[in-house]
Amino acid sequence: GAVVSQHPSWVICKSGTSVKIECRSLDFQATTMFWYRQFPKQSLMLMATSNEGSKATYEQGVEKDKFLINHASLTLSTLTVTSAHPEDSSFYICSARVWTGERQPQHFGDGTRLSIL
Amino acid sequence: AQKITQTQPGMFVQEKEAVTLDCTYDTSDQSYGLFWYKQPSSGEMIFLIYQGSYDEQNATEGRYSLNFQKARKSANLVISASQLGDSAMYFCAMRTGGYQKVTFGIGTKLQVIP
Repeated sequence: GAVVSQHPSWVICKSGTSVKIECRSLDFQATTMFWYRQFPKQSLMLMATSNEGSKATYEQGVEKDKFLINHASLTLSTLTVTSAHPEDSSFYICSARVWTGERQPQHFGDGTRLSIL
Repeated sequence: AQKITQTQPGMFVQEKEAVTLDCTYDTSDQSYGLFWYKQPSSGEMIFLIYQGSYDEQNATEGRYSLNFQKARKSANLVISASQLGDSAMYFCAMRTGGYQKVTFGIGTKLQVIP
C-alpha cells in the first residue's frame, strides 16, 4: 500500500536553530501533501497544504515565515521551522493522498518529535 | 465550517468485548467522507475505516465497523472483540471541499483491560 516516509523521527536542538523535516511519498506521486502539528494529548491541527510547484496554502494563524514549506517534486515536501524556540516544540506529522478517488484516505508519515531547548 | 466532535476523552473496555467510540460531525457540504484513525503511543496515524456520505451501507473492515447515521450526523466506530493492542488514541475525521482538507476530532483514548 501507499507509504509516506518522514524524517527525522526525533530532533532535539538549541533555541534559534532552524530545523528541516522531510516528507516523502515512497510509492506514489503526491501533488498535495499536508503538514499537521499535534500538541500533547491534543488533536492534529492542519498547518498548511503543500502544493507541488507552487506556494503552500497556510491555515489561519500559522506564520508563513516561521514555517517554510517547499514541495519541489511530486514525492518530496519539506517543512523548515526557522529560528525555532521552545514554544515550537511539538509533534509534526505530514500526510499525502493518492489521487484516485474520494475513498482514498490520507496516508501519514510516522511524525517528527521536535524539542527545542 | 466543518466540525468533528468526540465527546469521550477516555474509554475502558474489557478484552474480547466490543466498544463504541462516538463521533458527530457538522458540515453544510452534501458530499463528504468520514474516517477513523488510530494513533498508538508511538505517534503514527493508522487508517482504519472510511465512510462516504453517499454510501448506503455501513462500512466494515475486519473488527472495525462504522455505525453511520446520516440524519443524526453521527459516525460511531465499533470495535468488536477488543484486543490489548487496540489500546490507543482514536481520531474521527472528515474530508470535504473537493477531497482536500481533513478536519480531526480531539480524539478518544481507548484502554483495553486484560
